[in-house]
Amino acid sequence: SQTIHQWPATLVQPVGSPLSLECTVEGTSNPNLYWYRQAAGRGLQLLFYSVGIGQISSEVPQNLSASRPQDRQFILSSKKLLLSDSGFYLCAWTRGTNYGYTFGSGTRLTVV
Amino acid sequence: AQSVTQPDIHITVSEGASLELRCNYSYGATPYLFWYVQSPGQGLQLLLKYFSGDTLVQGIKGFEAEFKRSQSSFNLRKPSVHWSDAAEYFCAVFSGTGNQFYFGTGTSLTVIP
Repeated sequence: SQTIHQWPATLVQPVGSPLSLECTVEGTSNPNLYWYRQAAGRGLQLLFYSVGIGQISSEVPQNLSASRPQDRQFILSSKKLLLSDSGFYLCAWTRGTNYGYTFGSGTRLTVV
Repeated sequence: AQSVTQPDIHITVSEGASLELRCNYSYGATPYLFWYVQSPGQGLQLLLKYFSGDTLVQGIKGFEAEFKRSQSSFNLRKPSVHWSDAAEYFCAVFSGTGNQFYFGTGTSLTVIP
C-alpha cells in the first residue's frame, strides 16, 4: 500500500534561518506531488506541485522553493525564513484525479 | 476560474443532531468534487468524492454528500453527529487543466454534548 511520510512534525526556526522540509511517498511511482500551506485560521494555499523529477510549478511567488531530486521525494526549502512563513505545511500526492489527494501528517513551522 | 466556497466558517451542533456543511463551486466543466476532514494538528483525510453517476455519494464515518448541478453545490451531511466528528472540513474541486485541487476555506465543526 502507498504511504506518505513528512518530517519533521514540528519546527521552530529563527527569522533568517534556512528551511528544509522533506516529503517521501512509498508504494507508488511517478506520483504528482504537492506542497500546501495552511496559515492560522485560513484555508489551504497551494505552494508548489510537481508532475515528475525536476519538474516544479510554483503557484505563489515567495521566498520558498521546492525540488524533486527523486521520483518519490519532494523538498520544500527556504534560504531565509520570514515571520510570515509560519504555518502548517502539508505534503500531498495523487496518482490521478479519481483518487483525490493523500496528505502527509503535516509540519507545524513557527518562525520566531 | 475555478473556486470553492464554504459559506459557514464555524458550525456548532449537539451530539446526535443532524449535520449539513455547505459547499458551492465554480467550474466550467463537470467537476470532480471532494470532501476532506482535518483533525487538530493532523493532515487531511478523504471523506468522499464525486466524479459522475449517482449524485448522492457515501463516504467514510457515516458521511454522505449530494451533488446538485443546478445549484453548483456539493453539501456534506451526516444524520447523527458524534463528538469525534469535531474537526475542520474542507470541500475541494479538481481542475484537470491546472492539475491541482482548489480548496474552500474550511468549516470548523464543534460538537457539544
